[in-house]
Amino acid sequence: GNSVTQMEGPVTLSEEAFLTINCTYTATGYPSLFWYVQYPGEGLQLLLKATKADDKGSNKGFEATYRKETTSFHLEKGSVQVSDSAVYFCALSSPGATNKLIFGTGTLLAVQP
Amino acid sequence: DAGVIQSPRHEVTEMGQEVTLRCKPISGHNSLFWYRQTMMRGLELLIYFNNNVPIDDSGMPEDRFSAKMPNASFSTLKIQPSEPRDSAVYFCASNSGQGREKLFFGSGTQLSVL
Repeated sequence: GNSVTQMEGPVTLSEEAFLTINCTYTATGYPSLFWYVQYPGEGLQLLLKATKADDKGSNKGFEATYRKETTSFHLEKGSVQVSDSAVYFCALSSPGATNKLIFGTGTLLAVQP
Repeated sequence: DAGVIQSPRHEVTEMGQEVTLRCKPISGHNSLFWYRQTMMRGLELLIYFNNNVPIDDSGMPEDRFSAKMPNASFSTLKIQPSEPRDSAVYFCASNSGQGREKLFFGSGTQLSVL
């Protein structure tokens, strides 16, 4: 079935460090891919998305490129801030049911000053 | 827009008691989703509705769980009887149901079953 696998956390970085959170997926057909972010005590909110191969989603300095050849959608940011500390979820929309999202287990990012 | 509203924010109950979680989706949204979040299993889709009709309830763990959506502005998730392993954060989310678009999440209900 369709699934998302992302790197386990926590990921601990110093401010201004480079961030990569790996995400790979398994799906039939052509899913859309998403990154959601969850700040402490809040619900998830969309960070960025990509709907087809080679698309790059970007927002707030974060980027991710839809790589069909490696079935990956890794999240990157060149210089993290303390305010980026949160849990990050990779997700895909099931190709057979376009309104249904399947999430990875989440990766906790802790940025230290 | 007030966003997706869930209540209560926190619920502490004893094993065997009935628990009802409530959700008000964003006005105009046609799809509503219930998710459960735990450390062990991450974020799991329990059930989702389209135009108040349950479309996929394959994620509902067992018969103790039930969900209803009597109208476009209200949904409930009920657990009867509750068990300690039901302790989790339960999220409600909604969108317009037009396809591969983002979900708007509520702030969640933290449930603790003692």
